Amino acid sequence: GQQLNQSPQSMFIQEGEDVSMNCTSSSIFNTWLWYKQDPGEGPVLLIALYKAGELTSNGRLTAQFGITRKDSFLNISASIPSDVGIYFCAGHTNFGNEKLTFGTGTRLTIIP
Amino acid sequence: NAGVTQTPKFRVLKTGQSMTLLCAQDMNHEYMYWYRQDPGMGLRLIHYSVGEGTTAKGEVPDGYNVSRLKKQNFLLGLESAAPSQTSVYFCASSYPGSGTEAFFGQGTRLTVV
Repeated sequence: GQQLNQSPQSMFIQEGEDVSMNCTSSSIFNTWLWYKQDPGEGPVLLIALYKAGELTSNGRLTAQFGITRKDSFLNISASIPSDVGIYFCAGHTNFGNEKLTFGTGTRLTIIP
Repeated sequence: NAGVTQTPKFRVLKTGQSMTLLCAQDMNHEYMYWYRQDPGMGLRLIHYSVGEGTTAKGEVPDGYNVSRLKKQNFLLGLESAAPSQTSVYFCASSYPGSGTEAFFGQGTRLTVV
């Protein structure tokens, strides 16, 4: 099956720092989605990307759909305590099915 | 605004016992999914359904069965629980169409001893 490699696995940063994480795939995706999961909750969609090269922002979050369609990046600027959580990338193809393939997640911790 | 509701939220089973996890959504979504989440492994798709009366296998279907008798409900069954099925289970639903947002429930934490 398709594999999504997400890095880094975990990040420890100070409040106010910028954050970058990425996701790479062994195959092409037509849609990239970025989700955030708070402790004890289900994932919630942050940003959706539908076209290669697309750059989309949602407040302090910016995500890009890689030109090769095999990768995506998420940046968070000026991190705040509520950014703590696990961030997942997810990829979607149009090839006759509606399965979302998820990455392994990046756990973000903010050091006081 | 219930969204996606999972029942129960926590459960402890003995090896060999059976149980059913219930997922209910009130958004009239066609598609529903069951995922399991294990440390360091992200979310892995168990089974999914693209409409009432239809189901399909995902990435890790062994040991699980599902049914979608009503559009709003998607049931996940474990016939004979094993310790390897200790996990957090998430249900999600979405409209048809590529890349549409999947809405998740709050999860069911299952421990098999």
